[in-house]
Amino acid sequence: SQKIEQNSEALNIQEGKTATLTCNYTNYSPAYLQWYRQDPGRGPVFLLLIRENEKEKRKERLKVTFDTTLKQSLFHITASQPADSATYLCALPNQAGTALIFGKGTTLSVSS
Amino acid sequence: DAGVTQSPTHLIKTRGQHVTLRCSPISGHKSVSWYQQVLGQGPQFIFQYYEKEERGRGNFPDRFSARQFPNYSSELNVNALLLGDSALYLCASSLQTSGRIANTGELFFGEGSRLTVL
Repeated sequence: SQKIEQNSEALNIQEGKTATLTCNYTNYSPAYLQWYRQDPGRGPVFLLLIRENEKEKRKERLKVTFDTTLKQSLFHITASQPADSATYLCALPNQAGTALIFGKGTTLSVSS
Repeated sequence: DAGVTQSPTHLIKTRGQHVTLRCSPISGHKSVSWYQQVLGQGPQFIFQYYEKEERGRGNFPDRFSARQFPNYSSELNVNALLLGDSALYLCASSLQTSGRIANTGELFFGEGSRLTVL
């Protein structure tokens, strides 16, 4: 079955720096990959979706890349702010396409 | 517009009891999915319902069941509760038009029901 690894459980950076989070998957290559943000005690909130034929996608200060050869997605937050502190989840569809498989998440802390 | 709403937000049960969790999707969404999130882990898929039929089931025991009503709201039932069932139960709805998640498809999550089993 598909497995997802997010590089580290916690990432601490200073305000203004770029945060880079990694998502690696095994087995089949998904048709797309999604990133979600989750604040403590809240449900995940969708951020970005990138398809297998897209190398890169941007939304404001967010950038996602998708390398199907490396089986890896990178998620970047530029000019990070304390308000960006949260857990970021990588997700991709199961083989049947009926559900999302989530990674454990990476908790980002941005200090001022 | 109202988002996905879940009830109750918090509940405490004892081992062996059963629980019913409720979810109302965003208006116009016909698909509802349930996920379990244990502390420190990502959400884990339990069920997907589309047009009142089960379209997907995760690796959970038969103690877990769900249904979807004609108005597309949904219930998750868990029988014979175990300590390990303590978790945040998340409901998500989406705009998909079949039992498969569209490749444009984001999931819209509710705030969850926090279940504690003592």
